[in-house]
Amino acid sequence: DTAVSQTPKYLVTQMGNDKSIKCEQNLGHDTMYWYKQDSKKFLKIMFSYNNKELIINETVPNRFSPKSPDKAHLNLHINSLELGDSAVYFCASSQDYGTGGNTIYFGEGSWLTVV
Amino acid sequence: AQSVTQPDIHITVSEGASLELRCNYSYGATPYLFWYVQSPGQGLQLLLKYFSGDTLVQGIKGFEAEFKRSQSSFNLRKPSVHWSDAAEYFCAVGSPSGGYNKLIFGAGTRLAVHP
Repeated sequence: DTAVSQTPKYLVTQMGNDKSIKCEQNLGHDTMYWYKQDSKKFLKIMFSYNNKELIINETVPNRFSPKSPDKAHLNLHINSLELGDSAVYFCASSQDYGTGGNTIYFGEGSWLTVV
Repeated sequence: AQSVTQPDIHITVSEGASLELRCNYSYGATPYLFWYVQSPGQGLQLLLKYFSGDTLVQGIKGFEAEFKRSQSSFNLRKPSVHWSDAAEYFCAVGSPSGGYNKLIFGAGTRLAVHP
């Protein structure tokens, strides 16, 4: 079983559309994350939720809205997609938040291309 | 602010040769350090991590890394590289502003392996 799974893996969409990426973890972790990897392979955190509560919100356009219906799921909704949103989006999870040193498990990524 | 520098963007080695990938971090206290590997089209897999204790850390796939506080370094090594090691390697530090679970990544080093 995949520990952190994301869908879809590939997504091609037009500018201005709204799209969602779903993420689920079956590790029983309390904390989940969204990271973005740009075209130069640079990885940066976007959001983190701990037990459904938003704890990290980096400088991300408000067109991006994460939603955590329960602690095993963290979905990412993107409104009014722009060309610059093309990237690989990684979902991740860790046991908890704040104790430090947790291993963070990443999903396989969702390749988003905006045309 | 914490930062991670991977000085080598691209490294090419011959199969069977030894490997060292460099990583330097900027952080005042004892850092939480990680090495992740990303194979083409795949997600991120944790190779090893350092939190405290023995400064030589063993990881998966025959990799090891050594934490050197005096040099602010956490270099990744492997004595004999296999063709399957060709991938992108990311060094990361856990930021205390995110409970140490907010990872700050370096820009990555792409490893190519010649037969």
